[in-house]
Amino acid sequence: AQSVTQPDIHITVSEGASLELRCNYSYGATPYLFWYVQSPGQGLQLLLKYFSGDTLVQGIKGFEAEFKRSQSSFNLRKPSVHWSDAAEYFCAVAPLFGNEKLTFGTGTRLTIIP
Amino acid sequence: DAGVTQSPTHLIKTRGQQVTLRCSPKSGHDTVSWYQQALGQGPQFIFQYYEEEERQRGNFPDRFSGHQFPNYSSELNVNALLLGDSALYLCASSLGSTGELFFGEGSRLTVL
Repeated sequence: AQSVTQPDIHITVSEGASLELRCNYSYGATPYLFWYVQSPGQGLQLLLKYFSGDTLVQGIKGFEAEFKRSQSSFNLRKPSVHWSDAAEYFCAVAPLFGNEKLTFGTGTRLTIIP
Repeated sequence: DAGVTQSPTHLIKTRGQQVTLRCSPKSGHDTVSWYQQALGQGPQFIFQYYEEEERQRGNFPDRFSGHQFPNYSSELNVNALLLGDSALYLCASSLGSTGELFFGEGSRLTVL
């Protein structure tokens, strides 16, 4: 069965600093990987996704993520965070090339300090 | 263009009762998925509907059932509510099984 681990429950960074959120997955075949963001009182919004090809994927809002098969990781990065990036971030994996039965991690809450 | 809309936004029920949650997909979308998000957890897949049929199902008991209507809107029904059913229920729509999922803001259910 597929699973996703987000080891960091809560991260605090200063505005303007760089960010890296960790995600490790477990899946037997090539995974279909996602990062979503959830702001308070909002639904989830897709930041980026990976299925195949270039292992460095670009997303919205200046985010990027790198797929590393050898480490079973799909870490999310941003070179300079803004106060508006404060939110909950979820990594997810799907077993097929599609959106069926996404398995989400438990999330990382990001706090931005001035 | 309206996104995914869910109703009600909040509701309170007591144990043993039944609840129906509703979802209208984003315009042009034909597939609806439901997720349960308990406090402090990531969303868990309940099921997905396409062409009025349940296509995929997660590890949820039969107390959880759903329906999709010809206009692609969907309902989630939960019978014999338990305290552990308290959660945010998220609806997501997409165009087919490969399209991007668009999530609604959710229905927050509290079971007392």
